[in-house]
Order: sequence, then structure tokens, then C-alpha cells
Amino acid sequence: VLTQSPATLSLSPGERATLSCRASQSVNSFLAWYQQKPGQAPRLLIYDASNRATGVPARFSGSGSGTDFTLTISSLEPEDFAIYFCQQRSDWHTFGGGTKVEIK
Amino acid sequence: ELQLVESGGGLVQPGGSLRLSCAASGFPFSTYAMSWVRQAPGKGLEWVSAISSSGGTTHYANSVKGRFTIFRDKSNNMLHLQMNSLRAEDTARYYCAKDRVTFGSGSSIYMDVWGKGTTVIVSS
Repeated sequence: VLTQSPATLSLSPGERATLSCRASQSVNSFLAWYQQKPGQAPRLLIYDASNRATGVPARFSGSGSGTDFTLTISSLEPEDFAIYFCQQRSDWHTFGGGTKVEIK
Repeated sequence: ELQLVESGGGLVQPGGSLRLSCAASGFPFSTYAMSWVRQAPGKGLEWVSAISSSGGTTHYANSVKGRFTIFRDKSNNMLHLQMNSLRAEDTARYYCAKDRVTFGSGSSIYMDVWGKGTTVIVSS
């Protein structure tokens, strides 16, 4: 089970966002982060905990291993307000419940 | 341009069947494992099924095992999901997605290209 926190993060453009994903058992570094905007499909941002996918801006970074992971957006741009999901591939495939990053 | 386009969704009665399709283009389809992921209205993402690049290995979530069948047609770059014995809880938007790396078995996937999805509503 992947538990994401907080459920909602209210921030202003330019602020730093820190999202958490906790696994109920170790997933090593087999964790990804996705961004989903309303009415759109998810977009892969980070894979293997810390690797940015092709075309993902450098303001997105991932860290962690084992059971605790973090997605950091260093300075929020208007287009970053969205829902973020983590996903593990260590034991089949499960997604976290998501964190909504909303404009404060 | 890498593209996945789903089709086949619609309204179906409980107990009914539906076949979803996903047309792939812009990449060597036969070299990538593929998945179906669904999202119920207002809810999170749920992985449903995956198939290896060769098509020889398939995987299912417990919630659909025995009711859904994933298969691929390499001759026309198509992925399919045959859904039988549909239930109200299968109501969702269904996305097809491509594995990030080549020649995967489908058992351990990150999904780097997604279609826009097709909506399935199971209701009487």
C-alpha cells in the first residue's frame, strides 16, 4: 500500500512543494511519480525514485528509497497545479491515493 | 509522434461484456510491454492488466482476474482488453499505457506514454 500525504497542498506560485509517499513495505527504489491535470491522462515525471523522465523540467526532483519517498517541486509554476500520484513496481503495480497541489 | 488512442468504451449493463482497443503509433509496438490502467470518477489510479512485449505473458489485478483478458495484435499495432461479467465497480475511464523500457515482461512497469482514455459505464 502506498500512502500519500498531504491529501491537499495549498501553495502560491514560486513556492516550494514537498509531497510524500510512504510504502507499507520496502519497494527499494522502484517508485515513480506522475502528474495528472483535470481531463488529462497522467504524465510520468520521475522513475526509480530520482530519475526525471524525458522532457521533465529540472524543478521536479525525487528522492528516497525503501519506504519513504519525496517529490519536490522547487518553485511552483502555474502549470504545476495538478494531482500527483506515486506508483511502485516492486510488487506488481500500485498507486498512491494522490496529492492535489492547489493554488492558495 | 508517440501516440496511443483508446476506443470501445460505452454504457453496458451489469453482467455484460465490452472490448476496449488501443491503437499504437510512432514507436515499435512489439518491443514494449503494455498496460491498462483505470480511474473511477473522482478517484485515483488503479492498474488493471499488463502484457509482455512478446504477448506471451499476461498479468491481472485481483479485482479483474478471471473476467478480463488482455491481448495484443502485432500485425496492426493494437492492444485490446476483453471485459466480461462487468460490474458497477468497473465503471471508470480506462487508459492504455506503454512501458518505459523495451522487452519487458509486464510484471514491473513504469508507464511513460498514455492515451487519453475511454470511458466505461456499467449500469442498468
